[in-house]
Amino acid sequence: EAQVTQNPRYLITVTGKKLTVTCSQNMNHEYMSWYRQDPGLGLRQIYYSMNVEVTDKGDVPEGYKVSRKEKRNFPLILESPSPNQTSLYFCASSFTSITGELFFGEGSRLTVL
Amino acid sequence: AQKITQTQPGMFVQEKEAVTLDCTYDTSDPSYGLFWYKQPSSGEMIFLIYQGSYDQQNATEGRYSLNFQKARKSANLVISASQLGDSAMYFCAMREGLTSNAGNMLTFGGGTRLMVKP
Repeated sequence: EAQVTQNPRYLITVTGKKLTVTCSQNMNHEYMSWYRQDPGLGLRQIYYSMNVEVTDKGDVPEGYKVSRKEKRNFPLILESPSPNQTSLYFCASSFTSITGELFFGEGSRLTVL
Repeated sequence: AQKITQTQPGMFVQEKEAVTLDCTYDTSDPSYGLFWYKQPSSGEMIFLIYQGSYDQQNATEGRYSLNFQKARKSANLVISASQLGDSAMYFCAMREGLTSNAGNMLTFGGGTRLMVKP
């Protein structure tokens, strides 16, 4: 089954404790991306990757890191989480054409205390 | 400037009636794609419909159609014969060409919450 899998789905952590949200896709997509969703702000792109070892900042990259060492994986790293990073996070992937529909993971709800 | 604007934060529609969700976009790239996604209360993102900038006809997928007015830069979603299960957040999104400054990012609007009344 074609899917994007992200883990964990739910996480409560404390300020400053490094965490990683994993994302994996099995569709051989070149493009992968992380979004955060906050009430009233829609989905905002954090980072995206056009292919292995190619990553770029989105609209809200501050406080986040990513890596793309393999085509299927695109982890999101919060080196020192802060309460303003409490949000719902989505990983997504697609082919890189303009017709490329984004396939989303189920979302990861992160709370930073 | 906002690339995607959805001016209706929330809307009500009577069951079985049609409803139009507005979306306007801003791009100077001649090649782009427009998407609509549905997000029910369970949280997952569901792809609904796609319209390419060079497509001559408006896209349709079952009860969903996209009213594409290129000169006005609008891509409104029309849902016919609304059902209770259509109650959800709806997001309009745009993907610009690979050569644009946007670098193939897919940009979303703020969303419209649709509530279907029985």
